[in-house]
Amino acid sequence: DVKVTQSSRYLVKRTGEKVFLECVQDMDHENMFWYRQDPGLGLRLIYFSYDVKMKEKGDIPEGYSVSREKKERFSLILESASTNQTSMYLCASSLSSGDSNQPQHFGDGTRLSIL
Amino acid sequence: GQQVMQIPQYQHVQEGEDFTTYCNSSTTLSNIQWYKQRPGGHPVFLIQLVKSGEVKKQKRLTFQFGEAKKNSSLHITATQTTDVGTYFCGTGNTGKLIFGQGTTLQVKP
Repeated sequence: DVKVTQSSRYLVKRTGEKVFLECVQDMDHENMFWYRQDPGLGLRLIYFSYDVKMKEKGDIPEGYSVSREKKERFSLILESASTNQTSMYLCASSLSSGDSNQPQHFGDGTRLSIL
Repeated sequence: GQQVMQIPQYQHVQEGEDFTTYCNSSTTLSNIQWYKQRPGGHPVFLIQLVKSGEVKKQKRLTFQFGEAKKNSSLHITATQTTDVGTYFCGTGNTGKLIFGQGTTLQVKP
């Protein structure tokens, strides 16, 4: 069974802090994704990566960056946290299969509060 | 960019009633995936549809992809309390998905 592990279930940080959210998957998936989930807005893609050292902007990348130094690990970085970044953050991974889609496997999420 | 609109946003049903959520797009979709997120949980993949007019069933769940590949539906027959959660549709290619806003289902016992 695919396991996607996010480092923290709950996190509280202060405005202006640099925040790191970590995600690790154990199934050798090429693709990894970071989403934020807000009521009424569904899942919005922040950044994604198709391979080590590669990253692509999603729909709402402003205020975020990512790092993929190893295939199994994809980190989301809030450069200077702001209160509007309070949200549930979900990491996901999937196999690469050319133009088609494979199922995405999600972690349990990190509920981040910025005070 | 590609967008999918999902309706309704919320649905409350009595246990035993049927439930349907719809996913609509103004453009032709190459595929559609459906996920379920239980309260307090994370989205879990249910199924993928790729062919025009495709219909797939999983026990009480029926998934359809429209003939024009611009819409999809998830129908649950005789809902149970275990069906509670938020159902998302998603579409895309090269691995990246765009998700609908989700439909949250509440089931009254």
